[in-house]
Amino acid sequence: LAKTTQPISMDSYEGQEVNITCSHNNIATNDYITWYQQFPSQGPRFIIQGYKTKVTNEVASLFIPADRKSSTLSLPRVSLSDTAVYYCLVGDYGQNFVFGPGTRLSVLP
Amino acid sequence: GAVVSQHPSWVICKSGTSVKIECRSLDFQATTMFWYRQFPKQSLMLMATSNEGSKATYEQGVEKDKFLINHASLTLSTLTVTSAHPEDSSFYICSARVWGLAGVSNDNEQFFGPGTRLTVL
Repeated sequence: LAKTTQPISMDSYEGQEVNITCSHNNIATNDYITWYQQFPSQGPRFIIQGYKTKVTNEVASLFIPADRKSSTLSLPRVSLSDTAVYYCLVGDYGQNFVFGPGTRLSVLP
Repeated sequence: GAVVSQHPSWVICKSGTSVKIECRSLDFQATTMFWYRQFPKQSLMLMATSNEGSKATYEQGVEKDKFLINHASLTLSTLTVTSAHPEDSSFYICSARVWGLAGVSNDNEQFFGPGTRLTVL
């Protein structure tokens, strides 16, 4: 399983765009990159998943460079309610998820 | 769709007693469910993989006789913490993997339950 590295914490202000980068230098050919969000005392919630280039949905964008050794989760115009821990996971179909420490995002007013 | 529930949401018990936590997939069938535990300010740690109709696969360091897992149907998995002690106090989260559920999930996506907070006195 590819190991991931993320910043432990980040601060931002309401209305700003937040970019969280995850490093996964030993990602395998068949691995997908998935991001989850977790609020205190709740289960993680799926945000976005991608394999290469760019993926966008209603809540976020995921940028993956050609070498796929990193990925960046982009949250446009964050609000206070986006304060949470964000996890980057890498794995193939059928592989179990290994959660790293995640990035604790604090959105300030 | 793809909702996972857990019951109870929180439980307090005395040391030495056993506690059962249920994980249900409400609107889909899950052949594989996972159990995690999470201590305060820490990440999720996978405890075991639960497969319907077969024995669970436990991660290294997790005592299978202490954390009993049963996956008797495609919509229900249970985790029983036997002879619970204060050090077992934690947030227990289950998830279910759904394969290419059209219009709902991405491949290898896991849907997580809301978690169960266990406090052992």
